[in-house]
Amino acid sequence: GESVGLHLPTLSVQEGDNSIINCAYSNSASDYFIWYKQESGKGPQFIIDIRSNMDKRQGQRVTVLLNKTVKHLSLQIAATQPGDSAVYFCAENGAAGNKLTFGGGTRVLVKP
Amino acid sequence: NAGVMQNPRHLVRRRGQEARLRCSPVKGHSHVYWYRQLPEEGLKFMVYLQKENIIDESGMPKERFSAEFPKEGPSILRIQQVVRGDSAAYFCASSPHPAQESGYTFGSGTRLTVV
Repeated sequence: GESVGLHLPTLSVQEGDNSIINCAYSNSASDYFIWYKQESGKGPQFIIDIRSNMDKRQGQRVTVLLNKTVKHLSLQIAATQPGDSAVYFCAENGAAGNKLTFGGGTRVLVKP
Repeated sequence: NAGVMQNPRHLVRRRGQEARLRCSPVKGHSHVYWYRQLPEEGLKFMVYLQKENIIDESGMPKERFSAEFPKEGPSILRIQQVVRGDSAAYFCASSPHPAQESGYTFGSGTRLTVV
């Protein structure tokens, strides 16, 4: 069945350092992946996406890497700031492609 | 352009009552998704709707839960005879295209508490 999992449930990072959040997915048919950020009491917020025909995509301070060989997705946040403290979810569109399946989430705590 | 609007933000129901959660998608979005989230957990897919049609309800419990997205008006997630285990945050999302083409815009959720 479809599953998306994360290696680290909690990540503590010093302000100004880079953060790396990892995600493993099991459905090789997935061709679209997204990272979301969820702050306490709020809905998930789109950060960045990537399609399976790419292995890297950059946004503002964020980079998503996709390794289809080992079915691994990562989100890199450069110069982490206090406002980056949140739970981060990866999501994939799965075999049917008609809905997103979310991973369990990683909490990022930024220390001043 | 308002985002996805969900109401109410908080809903308290006694066991056995009905809960009705509303979701107005982003203007122009015809795809609506409902997800449930328990504290400290990820989002679990419930149902995917387009106008007047349920496309995928594979994540919806077979009993007590129903969803609709009428031609006019918001999408409604209805939970009949609520039980304590229904307490969760329910998020609605919308998109202009199916999930293989674009991401979702999420609402702020409805937090249901069953007492």
